[in-house]
Amino acid sequence: QLQLQESGPGLVKPPETLSLACTVSRGSISSSNYYWGWIRQPPGKGLEWIGSIYYSGSTYYNPSLKSRVTISADTSKNQFSLKLSSVTAADTAVYYCARQTRIVATPGWFDPWGQGTLVTVSS
Amino acid sequence: DIQMTQSPSSLSASVGDRLTITCRASQGISNYLAWYQQKPGKVPKLLIYAASTLQSGVPSRFSGSGSGTDFTLTISSLQPEDVATYYCQKYSSAPFTFGPGTKVDIK
Repeated sequence: QLQLQESGPGLVKPPETLSLACTVSRGSISSSNYYWGWIRQPPGKGLEWIGSIYYSGSTYYNPSLKSRVTISADTSKNQFSLKLSSVTAADTAVYYCARQTRIVATPGWFDPWGQGTLVTVSS
Repeated sequence: DIQMTQSPSSLSASVGDRLTITCRASQGISNYLAWYQQKPGKVPKLLIYAASTLQSGVPSRFSGSGSGTDFTLTISSLQPEDVATYYCQKYSSAPFTFGPGTKVDIK
């Protein structure tokens, strides 16, 4: 069964760059059937989609974050990554990575999800 | 961008009750809608995709319906393990927005 695992620093200082990686096991990010996405959830709040990537490098970003977000994929490591620049306290959240089924060439629903990693932005 | 709303924002019901949660899109999204369940302190779990297709392994008391702008998630007989927040998510086009969530607990 496919598994995803987020990794990266749990504490980031403003206005530095948040960097996370998602390692996929028991499956390949090079599959033509899936995109790979990042979602975040501030403490006590709802889910916010950040962005998604196809193994070829094609990306979709949330317009509200687009100017600060870069998502990349490394097929040799079976991993995809998130960079969020100029972070503030408002970027404090649990960050999830997830597989996103490809529907008629565009991303669809998220399943499965990684366990999530809490990133706190504080000086 | 298409906005997603959910109602109610929270509800409390008895074990065995039938529950309906509504998700509304500000523009038509065909059936490109998924539902997720997030239990307290846990990872979101996919329940339904394509508005009405039950994900493998999800109990049959969960069902989804709707198309266009109005969608519903129904729990036919509420169980204690269904205490959670439920989110809808559109995937008709980017951004792949989630609804604000509906928190369900037991009376």
